[in-house]
Amino acid sequence: GAGVSQSPSNKVTEKGKDVELRCDPISGHTALYWYRQRLGQGLEFLIYFQGNSAPDKSGLPSDRFSAERTGESVSTLTIQRTQQEDSAVYLCASSLLRFEQFFGPGTRLTVL
Amino acid sequence: RKEVEQDPGPFNVPEGATVAFNCTYSNSASQSFFWYRQDCRKEPKLLMSVYSSGNEDGRFTAQLNRASQYISLLIRDSKLSDSATYLCVVTRGGSYIPTFGRGTSLIVHP
Repeated sequence: GAGVSQSPSNKVTEKGKDVELRCDPISGHTALYWYRQRLGQGLEFLIYFQGNSAPDKSGLPSDRFSAERTGESVSTLTIQRTQQEDSAVYLCASSLLRFEQFFGPGTRLTVL
Repeated sequence: RKEVEQDPGPFNVPEGATVAFNCTYSNSASQSFFWYRQDCRKEPKLLMSVYSSGNEDGRFTAQLNRASQYISLLIRDSKLSDSATYLCVVTRGGSYIPTFGRGTSLIVHP
């Protein structure tokens, strides 16, 4: 069966531009997470969606970051007015409640 | 103190060696524990869950010590293909947000 997919796999943008990253979770997985991983660093939690409940946005680093998810399907992470410090790999993961997280391959974002 | 701490390494071991990593966590209410493996420039993948009674999967053994608040991962008969970063993951009781350690790097050489 299909795993978690993310697009684009790589994104190069200029400082100040907006970017939108997409995540397609595994069908039937109610939970969806976004993480950021800077080069050589650990995973930094950004946001968590669970079914139709209000998302947990406690990890978003600034109001330039936002994410949406419709039901239990696709999620998009939007970064407005990108800065160089936003350069990182953005990872999406989905899971059934409290069980193993399955990660997508990530989107490598480079802000010039 | 960080919520989840790991020795970043690298642990540099020869093939066939036995190597062990520890991961300490600060919140005594933590309930779920996992080890993930992350290869260079790849996404993390679950290696094994860590149960209170400990668990073993082939060459890999994971244990939980609640009293001292750490989990461990033991790898026996190391293979070159075991070279990766091993991430410790802890979830507090009542929370659905896992906390990832920064990982321990393992390099297995011929």
